[in-house]
Amino acid sequence: SAVISQKPSRDICQRGTSLTIQCQVDSQVTMMFWYRQQPGQSLTLIATANQGSEATYESGFVIDKFPISRPNLTFSTLTVSNMSPEDSSIYLCSVEGQAPGLTEAFFGQGTRLTVV
Amino acid sequence: AQKVTQAQTEISVVEKEDVTLDCVYETRDTTYYLFWYKQPPSGELVFLIRRNSFDEQNEISGRYSWNFQKSTSSFNFTITASQVVDSAVYFCALWGPTGGGNKLTFGTGTQLKVEL
Repeated sequence: SAVISQKPSRDICQRGTSLTIQCQVDSQVTMMFWYRQQPGQSLTLIATANQGSEATYESGFVIDKFPISRPNLTFSTLTVSNMSPEDSSIYLCSVEGQAPGLTEAFFGQGTRLTVV
Repeated sequence: AQKVTQAQTEISVVEKEDVTLDCVYETRDTTYYLFWYKQPPSGELVFLIRRNSFDEQNEISGRYSWNFQKSTSSFNFTITASQVVDSAVYFCALWGPTGGGNKLTFGTGTQLKVEL
């Protein structure tokens, strides 16, 4: 299993500012995933972060808006840039269990972001 | 492409009632994995079960049971003798190596409310 620590757990931010969310895993993992969950909605994958390479973004998400860093095998950050109220969501970091296949996807406790 | 459908948006039951949450999926992969997660009001995602496509055995864990039927592409979740603490949003998810692009696809979730 993996234990994921995500910081901050919640924040209220002014529009136009940026917030960086940190994700720390207690073991080395190849891929880390960032999800967004808008109010009352399901989880949507933002991007996959691999150590040593640029993140791979899903359709509808761009690096300028959601820059991601992956400096080592246990840590990643997601920045929400130039925020607007539409960015108010829960942002979750996730890692997967061993390959092949998937034993489990582990999630951080999420960052609840409110943009005012 | 793969898809997960949770047709029940919200279910309300009285404590001690049994409740079944439906999940129907679509995938072209022959090997895939199905998951159920619980998201309580605090926001974290709690892993409940993983089932691979070759294992159609039903599973029971305490008050929880899962019915996997490949013939109908369904993976339903039943809570027996529901309790107030079961109140949460429940997500069904699918992982497939090809059709899913090696990532989890979530359903839209079912909000379960258990009342006294």
